[in-house]
Amino acid sequence: DSGVTQTPKHLITATGQRVTLRCSPRSGDLSVYWYQQSLDQGLQFLIQYYNGEERAKGNILERFSAQQFPDLHSELNLSSLELGDSALYFCASSVVSDEQFFGPGTRLTVL
Amino acid sequence: AQTVTQSQPEMSVQEAETVTLSCTYDTSESDYYLFWYKQPPSRQMILVIRQEAYKQQNATENRFSVNFQKAAKSFSLKISDSQLGDAAMYFCVTQGGSEKLVFGKGTKLTVNP
Repeated sequence: DSGVTQTPKHLITATGQRVTLRCSPRSGDLSVYWYQQSLDQGLQFLIQYYNGEERAKGNILERFSAQQFPDLHSELNLSSLELGDSALYFCASSVVSDEQFFGPGTRLTVL
Repeated sequence: AQTVTQSQPEMSVQEAETVTLSCTYDTSESDYYLFWYKQPPSRQMILVIRQEAYKQQNATENRFSVNFQKAAKSFSLKISDSQLGDAAMYFCVTQGGSEKLVFGKGTKLTVNP
């Protein structure tokens, strides 16, 4: 158990819909990272927040957005969902930049 | 930009034997980290071992060790005394100044009893 929690574990929805994925980092970790794992693209970095502020952006679509709240939990919002958005979405957290601890992931299926 | 190449999509090893997974990378960063992460069928991402690029000494964690060749930009993982629980997808990963992790495509390791 990494100490990072993600909800829900599984999410099934239809094209065009909007979903929110939630992540609670390990106690004391200020940084939260979001990654997407798909068969086509492999594992890729989406976005990082540090203590409530956006710190780095990767290959995140404009339909996707994220935020980190004062209690340091983070949410990833995915809108206008397409079939290709089906993937495993990981959240990771860290207190120092060299080691990230991953949550169990949210499996998103878009039908 | 950083890139990571794992040229072995699949590997297999007999239980108790040794196996080496290959990885090459490219980065323009002068200071960076390298990792091997393991993803078993449960899908959980688990850190296996890490290497700071400024350290010449190869990292070791119990049965896991790396061969870090900085000039060649090579970072292989050796698993000794392989166990059934080592069966997983293994990802070679780099991290530079931006803190984001860049993953290779992975090597699926099968351990045969």
